[in-house]
Amino acid sequence: QSALTQPRSVSGSPGQSVTISCTGTSSDVGGYNYVSWYQQHPGKAPKLMIYDVSKRPSGVPDRFSGSKSGNTASLTISGLQAEDEADYYCCSYAGSYIHNYVFGTGTKVTVL
Amino acid sequence: QLQLQESGSGLVKPSQTLSLTCAVSGGSISSGGYSWSWIRQPPGKGLEWIGYIYHSGSTYYNPSLKSRVTISVDRSKNQFSLKLSSVTAADTAVYYCARVVVPSYMDVWGKGTTVTVSS
Repeated sequence: QSALTQPRSVSGSPGQSVTISCTGTSSDVGGYNYVSWYQQHPGKAPKLMIYDVSKRPSGVPDRFSGSKSGNTASLTISGLQAEDEADYYCCSYAGSYIHNYVFGTGTKVTVL
Repeated sequence: QLQLQESGSGLVKPSQTLSLTCAVSGGSISSGGYSWSWIRQPPGKGLEWIGYIYHSGSTYYNPSLKSRVTISVDRSKNQFSLKLSSVTAADTAVYYCARVVVPSYMDVWGKGTTVTVSS
């Protein structure tokens, strides 16, 4: 099971929007609406930001949004803030047969 | 509020077995609808799913690690454990435990524990 493909880095100025893509296959991202996104600050554990493609857990700002088209999922951060600078990972369920999960390669978001 | 806390050996010699435990507090490990997972992150690299155990005791492992991994649960202590055998330097990582809302996402994570494989 190969890792999902994410851009290595994206950047934006405060107030701008950035979008992170997460490309998989029809066996994972494209096959299920079970894509989640995690934010990780240095030295910290990952934090759930989006689940089931586009749902936001309680407490996550509404400037974080998720979507999916085909085998590619996306995370958009609107109104970028300094505290959004972190690594972001997507994750997809990869099948009821093998009951696997696959993470993305990770994207560093830099706030300029 | 559910909390997870990893513990175990921080230094393991090559070819030996890595053993970690995740203590669950603020909720029952036997609750339906959840599985309990291990994820790791080598230094400077991304996240890798290791495997998980359902409340029923069924286990599922990453195929790339399956021959070396065992995840078990101790309901009396409300904790679950990871054993990884025949470790090498490539197994050096921060190891996280997490609760999975089946089958979709990991909603609660432990803080992580660093394991170094070195002689």
